[in-house]
Amino acid sequence: AQTVTQSQPEMSVQEAETVTLSCTYDTSESDYYLFWYKQPPSRQMILVIRQEAYKQQNATENRFSVNFQKAAKSFSLKISDSQLGDAAMYFCAYYAGGTSYGKLTFGQGTILTVHP
Amino acid sequence: ETGVTQTPRHLVMGMTNKKSLKCEQHLGHNAMYWYKQSAKKPLELMFVYNFKEQTENNSVPSRFSPECPNSSHLFLHLHTLQPEDSALYLCASSQARLAGVYEQYFGPGTRLTVT
Repeated sequence: AQTVTQSQPEMSVQEAETVTLSCTYDTSESDYYLFWYKQPPSRQMILVIRQEAYKQQNATENRFSVNFQKAAKSFSLKISDSQLGDAAMYFCAYYAGGTSYGKLTFGQGTILTVHP
Repeated sequence: ETGVTQTPRHLVMGMTNKKSLKCEQHLGHNAMYWYKQSAKKPLELMFVYNFKEQTENNSVPSRFSPECPNSSHLFLHLHTLQPEDSALYLCASSQARLAGVYEQYFGPGTRLTVT
């Protein structure tokens, strides 16, 4: 069974600084997808960024980028120029594709605090 | 309404009550999901529906009963719940495709408290 591990329950960063959130996963699949979701306090969970395992190039979305290390099964999220609005719970998620019918496996989450 | 909506946003119920949670997606998706989010635990997938057919029941107790009358609506019927069922219940939807990324879009959740 696939598992996703976020080893940092909480992280903090100063506004305008850079922070990296860690995620590791375990799978025997070769084709899969990885996601980072953001859940602000009392607000909806939204997709931040996604990575297809067959792509070697790391995904980037504005200030958000990932470091995808397939052999190491590592998928970290880097937030550059952190803003107060980035404060949220961040979840790493794995999707096997194929007949998994969209079944996502989530990590435990990392609470990110942004200090002004 | 846009995206994925859920009602009610907050619900307090006794252990002998029967209530239902409602989810509606306005994205034209064909797959819908129920998740349970408890404090200090990862999101737990409960049920998956594809084209109105249940394709996943993740060992959920029978006191939770899902219903998907069409691809836009999803219900979670609750009866004789336990205090440990208190949690945030999230609904999500996605577009199932033969290939491609299956990102899910989430609703705001229903905060359930069982007393």
